[in-house]
Amino acid sequence: DVKVTQSSRYLVKRTGEKVFLECVQDMDHENMFWYRQDPGLGLRLIYFSYDVKMKEKGDIPEGYSVSREKKERFSLILESASTNQTSMYLCASSLRHEGNTEAFFGQGTRLTVV
Amino acid sequence: GQNIDQPTEMTATEGAIVQINCTYQTSGFNGLFWYQQHAGEAPTFLSYNVLDGLEEKGRFSSFLSRSKGYSYLLLKELQMKDSASYLCAALDSNYQLIWGAGTKLIIKP
Repeated sequence: DVKVTQSSRYLVKRTGEKVFLECVQDMDHENMFWYRQDPGLGLRLIYFSYDVKMKEKGDIPEGYSVSREKKERFSLILESASTNQTSMYLCASSLRHEGNTEAFFGQGTRLTVV
Repeated sequence: GQNIDQPTEMTATEGAIVQINCTYQTSGFNGLFWYQQHAGEAPTFLSYNVLDGLEEKGRFSSFLSRSKGYSYLLLKELQMKDSASYLCAALDSNYQLIWGAGTKLIIKP
C-alpha cells in the first residue's frame, strides 16, 4: 500500500522557534510538495521539489524553507515560527508524469504556534 | 489570474443524488482532479478528466467541459460515509495544481 508519512499529527510551538516538519514517501516518487490548508482558502502550495536537492517556490514560500537530501524525504522548515503559520500542513508526492499525476497525501500535521 | 470556484457547502439526503460544480480559469489546462477529504484526514484521489465528457466510477461520476471551464462531480445513492469535503483542482500549463477551497457535503438521514 502506497504511503506518505508525516512525522507528527499535532505540534504546538512557541513564536520564534525553528520548526521542522518531516515527510517520507515509499513510492519512489520524483515529485514532492508541501501545502498548507486553511478554512475557506483551499490548499496553497508552499514549496515543491522535482528531484533530490532541487526545490521550487510555490505560491506562499515566505517564512518557509525546504530540504530534499534524499528522494524519499522532503522537509519543511519554519525558520522562526509566527502565529500566522498556525495551520494544517500537508505533504504530497506524485510521479514525474505529465497529465494524470495523481498526488498521494500524508495525514497532515496540525501546527499551532502560540 | 488563476481561479477555481466551487460551492462552500451543500446538504443532501441519504440515498439521493448530489452534483457538486466546479468552474476554473487557468493559464492553460492539462486536466481536472477531484479529491475527497474526510474531516481531519488527508485528501484522497477520486477522478481525473482531461477530455470532454463523463467518466463513471461506481457511485461517483465526473464530467468535464473544456470549452466552458466547467466540471462536476456526481454522487449517487448517497451514504452517510460520503459526508466529506470535495476538492476540485485544475492542472495548468506548467502542470501545477490549482486548488479550489473545497465543498463540504453534509448528508442527512
